[in-house]
Amino acid sequence: GNSVTQMEGPVTLSEEAFLTINCTYTATGYPSLFWYVQYPGEGLQLLLKATKADDKGSNKGFEATYRKETTSFHLEKGSVQVSDSAVYFCALSDPIYNFNKFYFGSGTKLNVKP
Amino acid sequence: EAQVTQNPRYLITVTGKKLTVTCSQNMNHEYMSWYRQDPGLGLRQIYYSMNVEVTDKGDVPEGYKVSRKEKRNFPLILESPSPNQTSLYFCASSSLGLARSYEQYFGPGTRLTVT
Repeated sequence: GNSVTQMEGPVTLSEEAFLTINCTYTATGYPSLFWYVQYPGEGLQLLLKATKADDKGSNKGFEATYRKETTSFHLEKGSVQVSDSAVYFCALSDPIYNFNKFYFGSGTKLNVKP
Repeated sequence: EAQVTQNPRYLITVTGKKLTVTCSQNMNHEYMSWYRQDPGLGLRQIYYSMNVEVTDKGDVPEGYKVSRKEKRNFPLILESPSPNQTSLYFCASSSLGLARSYEQYFGPGTRLTVT
């Protein structure tokens, strides 16, 4: 079946530190991969996406590369800000199995301290 | 403003009392979906809809019903709520223009407590 595994949080960093949030997946086909961000009290917002192997998604200084060989889609940012404090969700849709269904990881909470 | 709205935002109810959570989007999206968010479990998909009168089950449909009579609305119905349905619920919508790269737009969430 399909599933997404994320590193457990919370992750606490100082401002300007380097961020990595690990995400690995299991899928029956060639999924599309997503990172969503949830700020306190709000719904989720798409942060970035990648639809095929070796694609790199990027937005607002965040990056993630679709690695088929390691079934991973790790989120990185070179220098985090206090405003990046949020919960980050890795997700996939699998066009072979059913691209109308989405699978989310459990979320990783990021706390950035000034 | 493009948005997904949900009502109510907060609801406390008792076991067995039927309730409906409404969801509406103003982006003319074909695809709509309901999720529940629980600590440690992330988001799990309850139901989704590809278009008017087309709905299908997600991973956790038990105890829920949906309908899609209009393109903009996708209500979630709990016929007989139970305490294990206490959760944070999100509605989302998406265009089907690029099948492999759906960007879903999420509503603000409905926090439901069933006592």
